[in-house]
Amino acid sequence: SYEVIQPPSVSVFPGQTASITCSGDNLGYKYVCWYQQRPGQSPVLVIYQDTKRPSGIPERFSGSNSGNTATLTISGTQAMDEADYYCQAWDERQEVFGGGTKLTVL
Amino acid sequence: QVQMVQSGAEVKKPGASVKVSCKATGYTLGNYGITWVRQAPGQGLEWMGWISDYDGKTKYPQKFQGRVTVTTDTSTYTAYMEVRSLRSDDTAVYYCARASGPNGNDYWGQGTLVTVSS
Repeated sequence: SYEVIQPPSVSVFPGQTASITCSGDNLGYKYVCWYQQRPGQSPVLVIYQDTKRPSGIPERFSGSNSGNTATLTISGTQAMDEADYYCQAWDERQEVFGGGTKLTVL
Repeated sequence: QVQMVQSGAEVKKPGASVKVSCKATGYTLGNYGITWVRQAPGQGLEWMGWISDYDGKTKYPQKFQGRVTVTTDTSTYTAYMEVRSLRSDDTAVYYCARASGPNGNDYWGQGTLVTVSS
């Protein structure tokens, strides 16, 4: 079955740029979404169709997807961005989640 | 506004079944699906299945084929997920979400804790 891999943790200083990767075989040929999950809360969609932001999501969140890697980038990271982030690969047959990345804002 | 409201917490014994409900409000059915995702304590998200609210077509990952069934009652805008032959490692928070295909799962329920214990 298809798998996508994320680093378990990423750390960033406030105001700096955080990059979280998601790797999978030919991932660039699939659509990727990203979800933010704070402790005790339901996931929130922050990026869909690789690069698009839902309404209400700050512009500092952006995404890319090419080759075997998708990346979520958070520019000017804020303390409120500390959370778990999950990538999700989607095609017509299945949804697959990565294992999640804990983003720590130092 | 769009809301997905799930049923309350459940405690089940190993071998039993559980059926979680998810009532959708604030949008017109027929253009979306409902997806189900679970999260074991301290673990990540795991996709369990999907149902179209247009024609009732379903999809499941191989891991849950035959043990999980998702259904909808379009008259009440309510989706259901049944898990049979429960084991202790099925203890998790179960989420429903409105599924928009490549547009992502954009509205999530509050989650339903299912505890499997003898």
